[in-house]
Amino acid sequence: DAGVIQSPRHEVTEMGQEVTLRCKPISGHDYLFWYRQTMMRGLELLIYFNNNVPIDDSGMPEDRFSAKMPNASFSTLKIQPSEPRDSAVYFCASSSPAGGPLNEQFFGPGTRLTVL
Amino acid sequence: GQQVMQIPQYQHVQEGEDFTTYCNSSTTLSNIQWYKQRPGGHPVFLIQLVKSGEVKKQKRLTFQFGEAKKNSSLHITATQTTDVGTYFCAGREGGYNKLIFGAGTRLAVHP
Repeated sequence: DAGVIQSPRHEVTEMGQEVTLRCKPISGHDYLFWYRQTMMRGLELLIYFNNNVPIDDSGMPEDRFSAKMPNASFSTLKIQPSEPRDSAVYFCASSSPAGGPLNEQFFGPGTRLTVL
Repeated sequence: GQQVMQIPQYQHVQEGEDFTTYCNSSTTLSNIQWYKQRPGGHPVFLIQLVKSGEVKKQKRLTFQFGEAKKNSSLHITATQTTDVGTYFCAGREGGYNKLIFGAGTRLAVHP
């Protein structure tokens, strides 16, 4: 198994531009999580999906952030418009259905976003 | 809301010394997980603790879950340079399905 796949691995953009981050979970996993990691705030859960349905988006910082999961093998996190304070590493993680989300989460390699 | 505090923030040790990181929750947890993140890498699952007072070992690593299920610890015996990284605890409350991560403890091991 290739593990959780994220793209791009690095993104540099200018303030005000739209940014789209992509994630492909491990096949068969029905939970998908988006995290943001910064030195100041650590690892924060932004949103998670179960069977492609958003369950908890209370961590999404503001309306500039949106996430979708159109099918079981693909999810996007979009920031529009981006701001310098959005600079962070964004991780996607997935979890298997056996035992539900109580099981381990498998993290992707992350997308390092820099907003100038 | 639920908070998970982790100390210390940083720990520098000489190779061969022991290391411990502690995790405390403001609320009772249904279970707790531990992850390791190597520099430049992503968090990797180490273990999950579920039962009150549970102790689990993985080679030189010992994980404990407190009797009240509000605290946990990770102890590494005789650290090696391969232990370098940040160790996170992540707690989950009752019926909630999301993990709340501690701030992590960054471990540096000097040869």
